Amino acid sequence: QLQLQESGPGLVNPSGTLSLTCTVSGGSIRSSAYYWGWIRQPPGKGLEWIGNIYYSGATYYYNSSLKSRLSISIDTSENQFSLKLSSVTAADTAIYYCARVMYYGTEDAFDIWGQGTMVTVSS
Amino acid sequence: QSVLTQPPSVSGAPGQRVTISCSGSSSNIGAGYDVFWYQQFPGTAPKLLIYSSSHRPSGVPDRFSGSKSGTSASLAITGLQAEDEADYYCQSYDNSLSGYVFGTGSKVTVL
Repeated sequence: QLQLQESGPGLVNPSGTLSLTCTVSGGSIRSSAYYWGWIRQPPGKGLEWIGNIYYSGATYYYNSSLKSRLSISIDTSENQFSLKLSSVTAADTAIYYCARVMYYGTEDAFDIWGQGTMVTVSS
Repeated sequence: QSVLTQPPSVSGAPGQRVTISCSGSSSNIGAGYDVFWYQQFPGTAPKLLIYSSSHRPSGVPDRFSGSKSGTSASLAITGLQAEDEADYYCQSYDNSLSGYVFGTGSKVTVL
C-alpha cells in the first residue's frame, strides 16, 4: 500500500528558505501514470495547491502566485520529491501535505496524501 | 486564492439529506473542467471522496454523490450519519490561473 511521508524543519526564519521532502514507500515514484504534488493549509483555513512534478523531473507545474519563490524536484533513486520555498514570511505558515496526483481522464486529483507536516515561519 | 465558493457551514439531523454547493466561473467549472471532492477530519489529511464530478473511489459509501451543472457543482450526503461530520472541499482546474484550485471549504455538522 502506497504511503507518503513529509519531513523537514518545523520552524523557519522569516526571509529564509522552507525545505521539505516527501518519501514515498510501498511503490515506485518512477511511474509514468502519476505526478507528485504539494498542497498546503494555513491553520484553520482552506487548502492551496502549491505545485506538481513528473517522475522525470522535466515536467512540473507551479502555482503562479508562488512561482517566483518555488522549486520542486524529484529524486527517483531515493523515491523522494522535495519542495523549496524561498523568502518566506508568516503567510507561509501552514500544514504542508505531499500527495500523489492521479489523472482521471480529464483532470488530475490528489488521491493519496501524506499525513502533513506543520511549518511555522517565525524568528 | 480560493476561486471556488462554498457555504462555510451546512448542518442536518441524522438521516437527512444535505447538499454542499461549489460555485465557480467560466474559467474553471464553467469551462467544462471536472470537479473533485475531499473529506477532511480534524487533524488529518484530506481524503478523495468524489472524482470526475460524480464518481466514488472504492470504499466510499454510496450515500455520497456528486453532480455538476454550468458553473457550479454539488456534493450530496443522503442518510446523514454522525461520522460524516467533517470539512469538505471541492477542487477543479482554472485555465486563467493555469492551476488547480480548491473551494473555500464547508463544515458539515450533524445535529
